[in-house]
Amino acid sequence: GQQVMQIPQYQHVQEGEDFTTYCNSSTTLSNIQWYKQRPGGHPVFLIQLVKSGEVKKQKRLTFQFGEAKKNSSLHITATQTTDVGTYFCARGGSNYKLTFGKGTLLTVNP
Amino acid sequence: EPEVTQTPSHQVTQMGQEVILRCVPISNHLYFYWYRQILGQKVEFLVSFYNNEISEKSEIFDDQFSVERPDGSNFTLKIRSTKLEDSAMYFCASTGTYYGYTFGSGTRLTVV
Repeated sequence: GQQVMQIPQYQHVQEGEDFTTYCNSSTTLSNIQWYKQRPGGHPVFLIQLVKSGEVKKQKRLTFQFGEAKKNSSLHITATQTTDVGTYFCARGGSNYKLTFGKGTLLTVNP
Repeated sequence: EPEVTQTPSHQVTQMGQEVILRCVPISNHLYFYWYRQILGQKVEFLVSFYNNEISEKSEIFDDQFSVERPDGSNFTLKIRSTKLEDSAMYFCASTGTYYGYTFGSGTRLTVV
């Protein structure tokens, strides 16, 4: 199947530090979506990227889509304890099916 | 804000028993999905459903699994004869157009 690779698997930061997770594909992505899953919760949609080189911001979160549409990143500036959770990227496919990466678990030390 | 509702939140069943997981997607959404997540692992696609039929299914979705939309609102996942390895969190999701899924809170299935 068409997988997306996510790194790192885990990231532990001190509150106030920045955090970045990366999503990579060997094939061109038609689009990429990002989700956040709090511990014990369900995935919650954050954003969708469609255009090559696209950059979108949501407060302290910055999402990028690579020029070749084979990679994407999520960057959080000045992490807070409320940022704790697993961040998933997901590639879009036919019938709007999503294939999820393995996620990056972010823990934040207050 | 509209929600996807899943019941039950937790189901414990004996191996070999049938279970039905229920979902009420967002009313004006057209595409419905079941995913599962084994503890600490990634969210795995099971099946997609559109226009009252399965549009795609994964290798996991074998003959033990079936989906139905019996009454235009509910969307169910049936596992006919559960196995220990079916223990997981099962998420229902729906979407209207390509702007992201709305997931339900999930059903934690424990097979003993």
